[in-house]
Amino acid sequence: EAGVVQSPRYKIIEKKQPVAFWCNPISGHNTLYWYLQNLGQGPELLIRYENEEAVDDSQLPKDRFSAERLKGVDSTLKIQPAELGDSAVYLCASSSPLDRFGNEQFFGPGTRLTVL
Amino acid sequence: LAKTTQPISMDSYEGQEVNITCSHNNIATNDYITWYQQFPSQGPRFIIQGYKTKVTNEVASLFIPADRKSSTLSLPRVSLSDTAVYYCLVGEILSNYQLIWGAGTKLIIKP
Repeated sequence: EAGVVQSPRYKIIEKKQPVAFWCNPISGHNTLYWYLQNLGQGPELLIRYENEEAVDDSQLPKDRFSAERLKGVDSTLKIQPAELGDSAVYLCASSSPLDRFGNEQFFGPGTRLTVL
Repeated sequence: LAKTTQPISMDSYEGQEVNITCSHNNIATNDYITWYQQFPSQGPRFIIQGYKTKVTNEVASLFIPADRKSSTLSLPRVSLSDTAVYYCLVGEILSNYQLIWGAGTKLIIKP
């Protein structure tokens, strides 16, 4: 069974440029999460989807970040414009509908973003 | 939301049993305790979860005392490949995925 797939694995951009990250969750997982992880710290939740609905986006900086999951499967996270402080690893995770509270999340390898 | 406290780092040697203790003094009645492992350049991986007493799987054991204010992840006979960051999280089972991640414990296994 394939795990969570993310692309690209690495991205280097200049500040003020846009960037997008893509995630394909494990088949059958209806809950999808986007996290941000800074060096030496734990992940921080940005947004959580139940199917195509964003049910928790309270930590998403909506002035520059946006996300979508149009068909309830894969998802895209976008930053426009990027700032130096956005340099981090962006992780995508998914969990099974059988896991009612999302305690067992399956993570992708992440996208390491560097903003110059 | 409960907050957890873990040692920043630990060292051990191959073949030893490693115990990582996590403090969660403000744990609520509905909180579960979950541990994840993260290798460099990878996303975290679920290890084990429990509510009280002891839970064991093929990878680790989780010991939770009666007051549930702490928990101990036990890794039997570690190898070099167990070098990773280990995160302890508490989450309210009724509050929809509100898991708060700390900085974790960096475990280094030496030959």
